[in-house]
Amino acid sequence: DGGITQSPKYLFRKEGQNVTLSCEQNLNHDAMYWYRQDPGQGLRLIYYSQIVNDFQKGDIAEGYSVSREKKESFPLTVTSAQKNPTAFYLCASSPSGITDTQYFGPGTRLTVL
Amino acid sequence: AQSVTQPDIHITVSEGASLELRCNYSYGATPYLFWYVQSPGQGLQLLLKYFSGDTLVQGIKGFEAEFKRSQSSFNLRKPSVHWSDAAEYFCALLDDKIIFGKGTRLHILP
Repeated sequence: DGGITQSPKYLFRKEGQNVTLSCEQNLNHDAMYWYRQDPGQGLRLIYYSQIVNDFQKGDIAEGYSVSREKKESFPLTVTSAQKNPTAFYLCASSPSGITDTQYFGPGTRLTVL
Repeated sequence: AQSVTQPDIHITVSEGASLELRCNYSYGATPYLFWYVQSPGQGLQLLLKYFSGDTLVQGIKGFEAEFKRSQSSFNLRKPSVHWSDAAEYFCALLDDKIIFGKGTRLHILP
């Protein structure tokens, strides 16, 4: 089955530690995205990538980093510089660029203790 | 600036009743519009989208939405809701990126 997988579903980390969230897609989509979701705030774009080895900052990139070494994979690292990292993180992909329909993974809930 | 407004944070309807979720947008040209649904702790699932053409769009799970340019609206409707429809619903607008509304949480009374 084609789709987007995010792992793990729940992640706990101590304050001050970096943590990497996984996102993999087998839809052969060119573009991938990371969003952060907080209660009552909707979705906010962290980073996106429209092609391998290239990515752009979204609205709230500070304290996050990404890589896009393979078309299928777009991992997100939450660094210790992110002041309030506890949130629900959603990965998405779209067939072509950012002006295309996006499809979402199941999400990872990160809790920083 | 482009924006999406979902005026209702929470809506409660009885099972079997009809449903309408409101979405208003601000955009200078003909918008590309979406409705997504999110069950608790899950990702977003695309219900339907409007790019052009017929202003009444049919989606999955028995949902439909109507694009009304004169009212800058793209309201989501369902004739008869089921308990499994309880979720959060997001309207979205495509500009140089997707702009999401803040969501409407739907509660279903048995």
